[in-house]
Amino acid sequence: EIVLTQSPGTLSLSPGERATLSCRASQSVSSSYLAWYQQKPGQPPRLLIYGASSRATGIPDRFSGSGSGTDFTLIISRLEPEDFAVYYCQQYGSSPYTFGQGTKLEIK
Amino acid sequence: QVQLVESGGGLVKPGGSLRLSCAASGFTFSDYYMSWIRQAPGKGLEWLSYISSSTVYTNYADSVKGRFTISRDNAKNSVYLQINSLRAEDTAVYYCARGGNYLLSWGQGTLVTVSS
Repeated sequence: EIVLTQSPGTLSLSPGERATLSCRASQSVSSSYLAWYQQKPGQPPRLLIYGASSRATGIPDRFSGSGSGTDFTLIISRLEPEDFAVYYCQQYGSSPYTFGQGTKLEIK
Repeated sequence: QVQLVESGGGLVKPGGSLRLSCAASGFTFSDYYMSWIRQAPGKGLEWLSYISSSTVYTNYADSVKGRFTISRDNAKNSVYLQINSLRAEDTAVYYCARGGNYLLSWGQGTLVTVSS
């Protein structure tokens, strides 16, 4: 099973700042089959990025994903108030599919 | 618009069973793999299972293999999760989602509580 480790656990930033979230895999994720999701309290997750770098439909271009192999990054270029949430990465290149433990992005 | 509505959750005793349902609308259901994911209270996400569009392929997390069974009825635009031999650690919100790898859209979830 591929273990995904997200860092940091909590990230405290202000609106307008740049956020960099990391997801590291215990083994190489085949074909960059990695996704990112955003979850706000009381809501289901929302797909942001798939294939490591492709934005899902309707996702603003301030969200970008990159990486390959075992190291992946989600960048939010300029934080908006609605971006403060928990972010999860997920690998779907190898069964069982697995999620990271999440990064909480909070307002500083 | 895409809608996924889960139902069937509730309070169940250890060892009991439940059948969760997910009704889909707003897309061609029979074209898509469907998945179930759960989230224990205050915890992260755990992928559970997927089923192919034609029901030929299914896959399960090791933690639920043999206890959970996924199925679908394309005529009813619905996917199901039969959960047996429930344990306290199965307490969670159960989400259905469109897709079999990355998860395009999610329902609001149904809460399953396992307690005596």
